Amino acid sequence: DTGVSQDPRHKITKRGQNVTFRCDPISEHNRLYWYRQTLGQGPEFLTYFQNEAQLEKSRLLSDRFSAERPKGSFSTLEIQRTEQGDSAMYLCASSLVDSKPGGGQETQYFGPGTRLLVL
Amino acid sequence: AQTVTQSQPEMSVQEAETVTLSCTYDTSESNYYLFWYKQPPSRQMILVIRQEAYKQQNATENRFSVNFQKAAKSFSLKISDSQLGDTAMYFCAFLRGSNYKLTFGKGTLLTVNP
Repeated sequence: DTGVSQDPRHKITKRGQNVTFRCDPISEHNRLYWYRQTLGQGPEFLTYFQNEAQLEKSRLLSDRFSAERPKGSFSTLEIQRTEQGDSAMYLCASSLVDSKPGGGQETQYFGPGTRLLVL
Repeated sequence: AQTVTQSQPEMSVQEAETVTLSCTYDTSESNYYLFWYKQPPSRQMILVIRQEAYKQQNATENRFSVNFQKAAKSFSLKISDSQLGDTAMYFCAFLRGSNYKLTFGKGTLLTVNP
């Protein structure tokens, strides 16, 4: 399977603990995105990487959140001092964006998500 | 900021029938993309169909087709010959041409009944 993979699929933690999620994008995809989805809502953008550079962070991403993509391949999303309000599905997506003129945007392909429950 | 509105929280259809899901969006951009994603229960989100705003022809993928009305900022999804496996949450999403983040609607839960 060469799709986007995420690990773990489920995580239960106690308030105040730190958690880290991993995302492996589709090979050769140069962009990687993190979204958060709460119950009954569509996904909301958190941050994205172009290769290893983190180019944009949403206001939803508080100081307790940090994301990395150290070698431009997999990415990690860490939440420090978790709060009950952090309970959500965390989705990762990847895409291949052509930098040549007229290359345009490519479709984002999503992973299965990591469902976080903070008790 | 772009907004995407899906006015039908839930819909149901009988197997083999046709159903249309509605989506409207608000933007001042001229270069953008629209998507329909499907998220089955407890399964990952997959792309159903995409439409480039500069293309007048409506996109079609097998039983799935869209009615893209650019002036009205409407992007509805038609599912023909509905199958039980079509039961899922359907999200409409907008991507600005020079942007990177998808803006999603709240979704429509479609149930296909046998």
